[in-house]
Amino acid sequence: AQSVAQPEDQVNVAEGNPLTVKCTYSVSGNPYLFWYVQYPNRGLQFLLKYITGDNLVKGSYGFEAEFNKSQTSFHLKKPSALVSDSALYFCAVRDGTGANNLFFGTGTRLTVIP
Amino acid sequence: DGGITQSPKYLFRKEGQNVTLSCEQNLNHDAMYWYRQDPGQGLRLIYYSQIVNDFQKGDIAEGYSVSREKKESFPLTVTSAQKNPTAFYLCASSVSGQGASEQYFGPGTRLTVT
Repeated sequence: AQSVAQPEDQVNVAEGNPLTVKCTYSVSGNPYLFWYVQYPNRGLQFLLKYITGDNLVKGSYGFEAEFNKSQTSFHLKKPSALVSDSALYFCAVRDGTGANNLFFGTGTRLTVIP
Repeated sequence: DGGITQSPKYLFRKEGQNVTLSCEQNLNHDAMYWYRQDPGQGLRLIYYSQIVNDFQKGDIAEGYSVSREKKESFPLTVTSAQKNPTAFYLCASSVSGQGASEQYFGPGTRLTVT
């Protein structure tokens, strides 16, 4: 069965510093991995996904994620954090049924400190 | 939040009453999904539909029902059998119910049952 772990409930980073939000996964077969962001009382917004190919995936708003098969990780990164990046971030993996259903992690709240 | 609308944004009901949450999309997507979000638990899949007139149970379907009579609409009914219905409900859609196409989310409906 598939699973996603976001080991940090909360991440604090100073504005201008690089940020990392961690995600590890477990899935049978090829992993299809996603990152979403949620602002307060809003729906989720798609940031990026990994299907195949380059291990470094670039997405929206300057975010990128690095797929590491040996460590079964898909960490979200940004070189320079903005205060406006403060939000709730979810990692997700497609389930193993072949359908396009996503299994979400519990989320990491990112706070960027001015 | 793309071309997905959910109404109303806030909904209050008395215990024992059924309530229907609306979800409409104008993205011409085949697949639609309903998730429930509770604090600290991420998103959990309630029902999904890969095509019109077809839908499948997700991980937590008990106490919920759906219909998919039109491609653009996927209403969710929270019945009185749902033991803990107070939550934030999110609807999503994707181009296809297969593969790994990203899901686009609506703004959500916050349901409070007292």
